[in-house]
Amino acid sequence: DVKVTQSSRYLVKRTGEKVFLECVQDMDHENMFWYRQDPGLGLRLIYFSYDVKMKEKGDIPEGYSVSREKKERFSLILESASTNQTSMYLCASSFFTGGMALAKNIQYFGAGTRLSVL
Amino acid sequence: DAKTTQPPSMDCAEGRAANLPCNHSTISGNEYVYWYRQIHSQGPQYIIHGLKNNETNEMASLIITEDRKSSTLILPHATLRDTAVYYCIVRVGAGNNRKLIWGLGTSLAVNP
Repeated sequence: DVKVTQSSRYLVKRTGEKVFLECVQDMDHENMFWYRQDPGLGLRLIYFSYDVKMKEKGDIPEGYSVSREKKERFSLILESASTNQTSMYLCASSFFTGGMALAKNIQYFGAGTRLSVL
Repeated sequence: DAKTTQPPSMDCAEGRAANLPCNHSTISGNEYVYWYRQIHSQGPQYIIHGLKNNETNEMASLIITEDRKSSTLILPHATLRDTAVYYCIVRVGAGNNRKLIWGLGTSLAVNP
């Protein structure tokens, strides 16, 4: 079974703190993703990575950065946490299949980290 | 900018089939339709996907209309554990910029 593990289920941080959210996958997937999920807004893509040291901005990258030093690990960094970054954060991974016509780009998700910034 | 439309909520009796509709009228010819579900306090879980033909796996069946503008996810014998939010989503972009566009999904309540 694919396993995507997020380091914490719950985190409470203070405004201005630097926050690291860690995600590890054990299926040798090329792609990794960070989303945030808020009521009424659904899942929104923050950043994704298709290879080690590669990263691409998603729909809402402002206030976040990412790091992918190893294939299995993808970190989300909040340089200076703010209250509007209180949210559920979800990490996902998938194989890179190459080309629009290929079918399997199934994303596997971790259980999520619920972050509260006070 | 979700490219799919789903009813916000549905109810289903335990043991009956749950039919969850999705409109994706702007889908292009080479885009797949994916279905995921999210049980409370967990991450989303993949269910099934399809392009043109109907698909079936151990979890569900997917019926895609001939014009590909809509689809229906069928849970043939819903159980209480199927209570979840169900997302119908499409993939956009190309190459390294492909991503899934998530809407708000349908909250399915399976009642005893």
